[in-house]
Amino acid sequence: NAGVTQTPKFQVLKTGQSMTLQCAQDMNHEYMSWYRQDPGMGLRLIHYSVGAGITDQGEVPNGYNVSRSTTEDFPLRLLSAAPSQTSVYFCASSYARAYEQYFGPGTRLTVT
Amino acid sequence: AQKVTQAQTEISVVEKEDVTLDCVYETRDTTYYLFWYKQPPSGELVFLIRRNSFDEQNEISGRYSWNFQKSTSSFNFTITASQVVDSAVYFCALSERNTGNQFYFGTGTSLTVIP
Repeated sequence: NAGVTQTPKFQVLKTGQSMTLQCAQDMNHEYMSWYRQDPGMGLRLIHYSVGAGITDQGEVPNGYNVSRSTTEDFPLRLLSAAPSQTSVYFCASSYARAYEQYFGPGTRLTVT
Repeated sequence: AQKVTQAQTEISVVEKEDVTLDCVYETRDTTYYLFWYKQPPSGELVFLIRRNSFDEQNEISGRYSWNFQKSTSSFNFTITASQVVDSAVYFCALSERNTGNQFYFGTGTSLTVIP
């Protein structure tokens, strides 16, 4: 039981490049979410999903896309990277809404 | 407006001292959930506790205890006899039914326990 896994752990992008951050969980959790963590700002919700085929926006969705084709996977796409997207990204999953979320190890992204 | 406020940005204590981390939340919902997470220097986020709005009983787990007071909208976390391994950033979070149970995190309190 690996829990929540994220790849890559580190990534450097140039402005304008696109990429996908991968997230997978093996706990059969319905609820998955993506956060970014910036110094002094805590964690902010980007997008979330309450089940396969259902996604919604969080607090800071601009510049990011998500899809949820399976229960296990919830990738986050950066369409055209900007320096403001330099951050640590965490994926999380939970049994259902309002239950405790379990986090992946994070991806440190730098956009130059 | 910030839904979760952790006014203490950084706290330092000497080992074996008790320390309380404050968390004040704001919600108009009657059904909500409160959480605490720990983020040690290694960076992962570790779930500590979940409390629903209908359960104001305080909770104790080993050296950790939580005091939930709806009258003051606070959910404070106390570590008794602190240890160096308690050094971490601690986050308080709120999930409200009215907003689809999105999580709102505070900005965190960085605790340093000095040996």
